Amino acid sequence: GAGVSQSPSNKVTEKGKDVELRCDPISGHTALYWYRQSLGQGLEFLIYFQGNSAPDKSGLPSDRFSAERTGGSVSTLTIQRTQQEDSAVYLCASSLDRTSGNTGELFFGEGSRLTVL
Amino acid sequence: GENVEQHPSTLSVQEGDSAVIKCTYSDSASNYFPWYKQELGKGPQLIIDIRSNVGEKKDQRIAVTLNKTAKHFSLHITETQPEDSAVYFCAAILDGLTGGGNKLTFGTGTQLKVEL
Repeated sequence: GAGVSQSPSNKVTEKGKDVELRCDPISGHTALYWYRQSLGQGLEFLIYFQGNSAPDKSGLPSDRFSAERTGGSVSTLTIQRTQQEDSAVYLCASSLDRTSGNTGELFFGEGSRLTVL
Repeated sequence: GENVEQHPSTLSVQEGDSAVIKCTYSDSASNYFPWYKQELGKGPQLIIDIRSNVGEKKDQRIAVTLNKTAKHFSLHITETQPEDSAVYFCAAILDGLTGGGNKLTFGTGTQLKVEL
């Protein structure tokens, strides 16, 4: 399929370990977003990439969180020294640029469920 | 920044009844209001959206209304069916339609259960 692909779908790790979550956006989508969804909670914005512009990192909860987007396509969200409160589903979404009449609809992947023991 | 509140957090209706979910937003400059549906184990998916230049939009059994003065918008689902059972999220954004998109601010979600 041509949707947003995330891996791994499930990750169980021990407290203090580092984890990497990967997102493959829809081809041609210039914008990429990471959101976090804790159990029973809404969607918490983490970081946003748009083309070659500097990313909007305003939602990252601490300096243990970082993200990269290489070549304007694949993105990796890295969590260092994981804590139990990091347990959540991490959702990636991509969209077209809102210029040229595009709605900027977000297309979400199925998420990576992270459990920190 | 924008703040979006959503009510109720859970909603149970009988099949065939209507369901209404309400959201309020804080930033009067916000001008684009999408609704996303999240089925179990899936990512959210856009189901309908509305811009601030209209007051209502319909798509078959779903409709969204917007009251800019009161800064609230609502999702209406008529003739509910079991497959409507999901979590629904409202969102708001100031969408300038220039440059890149910005981050949507989502509500906390409503778990809708349609009972047979």
